Amino acid sequence: DAGITQSPRYKITETGRQVTLMCHQTWSHSYMFWYRQDLGHGLRLIYYSAAADITDKGEVPDGYVVSRSKTENFPLTLESATRSQTSVYFCASSGGNEQFFGPGTRLTVL
Amino acid sequence: GQNIDQPTEMTATEGAIVQINCTYQTSGFNGLFWYQQHAGEAPTFLSYNVLDGLEEKGRFSSFLSRSKGYSYLLLKELQMKDSASYLCAVRDSNYQLIWGAGTKLIIKP
Repeated sequence: DAGITQSPRYKITETGRQVTLMCHQTWSHSYMFWYRQDLGHGLRLIYYSAAADITDKGEVPDGYVVSRSKTENFPLTLESATRSQTSVYFCASSGGNEQFFGPGTRLTVL
Repeated sequence: GQNIDQPTEMTATEGAIVQINCTYQTSGFNGLFWYQQHAGEAPTFLSYNVLDGLEEKGRFSSFLSRSKGYSYLLLKELQMKDSASYLCAVRDSNYQLIWGAGTKLIIKP
């Protein structure tokens, strides 16, 4: 299907475990982004990528790692999950002004 | 620091008009965006302003004043499906989006 997808949609994990959230887009957009959304906060940028093999930190990168070996994929890894990383994670892509968002992953860290 | 302010919650009546305000202080300005987000869903794009003035798109309009660091989103002929959160975001000098916390709009019949 065309568009932007995320997996899994829901994930429960334990403190200290490694978790990878997947993001895939079919538009061949150059830019891709990872945000987290928490109550009372706006969307906060974790990492972004301008093209394959080019990534950069956003506002809240600590505890997260990204890679982008292919244009269409932009996985986000939590190396050692903490309770403060419980959140809804959105991936987005952009080929111009507008950003298109995936459906989100709701992550709970126990 | 960078800051985007918008009201936390607003209530309006079906069929009426509502204006959601957004004020911003950012390092640089490269456009202002409005997104709609229904509960449990992803944000979807509504409008983009980079020059001063009003942009109209159907029942929705967005206004920008760069000198005042101010924007508003105007929703006309409100429908129950317009119940959602409305997110204001400014693209800064690094071309990154800085987001407000969102305004939850409640529509009453």
